Amino acid sequence: DTGVSQNPRHKITKRGQNVTFRCDPISEHNRLYWYRQTLGQGPEFLTYFQNEAQLEKSRLLSDRFSAERPKGSFSTLEIQRTEQGDSAMYLCASSYYRDRQETQYFGPGTRLLVL
Amino acid sequence: DAKTTQPTSMDCAEGRAANLPCNHSTISGNEYVYWYRQIHSQGPQYIIHGLKNNETNEMASLIITEDRKSSTLILPHATLRDTAVYYCIGQGPLGSGGSNYKLTFGKGTLLTVNP
Repeated sequence: DTGVSQNPRHKITKRGQNVTFRCDPISEHNRLYWYRQTLGQGPEFLTYFQNEAQLEKSRLLSDRFSAERPKGSFSTLEIQRTEQGDSAMYLCASSYYRDRQETQYFGPGTRLLVL
Repeated sequence: DAKTTQPTSMDCAEGRAANLPCNHSTISGNEYVYWYRQIHSQGPQYIIHGLKNNETNEMASLIITEDRKSSTLILPHATLRDTAVYYCIGQGPLGSGGSNYKLTFGKGTLLTVNP
């Protein structure tokens, strides 16, 4: 257990529905990352926050995806109008960035299946 | 981030040392070499990282060549629970003044520890 928690751990939804995932990082960590992992591939970067500011979004993050970290603590990732191609494991990682160094610690992930 | 090259798979006998190689010939001077592993259906687990010097912690040792073009992760006494995909990643600020430390995962090496 790294101290990063994600909920729910599994989600099954029907195409077209909206889903929201939550990530609770390690408490003193100032950076929070979201990654997506499909079967047989390594995780791919989606977006990241430093405190409450969203600093970068990948081109993978279409306009149906939105992420927030309202108070610089927990984060949510929402997918609107889900598609079957959104089926994947969604991973959250947190880190304490200082002096141009950081180590990211990952949560267990949320596995999404879109029917 | 530096592109890394790893063997697709490796086998190791239980109790023996597992030596996982990684080539990162394009790594820049300010990029660290990070190793993570991912056991099936779990989030990636941080193992170790280094810049120039060899490093050791309770999980593994990291040997980085003097020219920094390659490294080896050593698990001194592999157990069945070490069976996982191991990722070698070059991570650091993108250019001078960069602050994005997203991890770029490849496909990694599937290490299978056999009884």
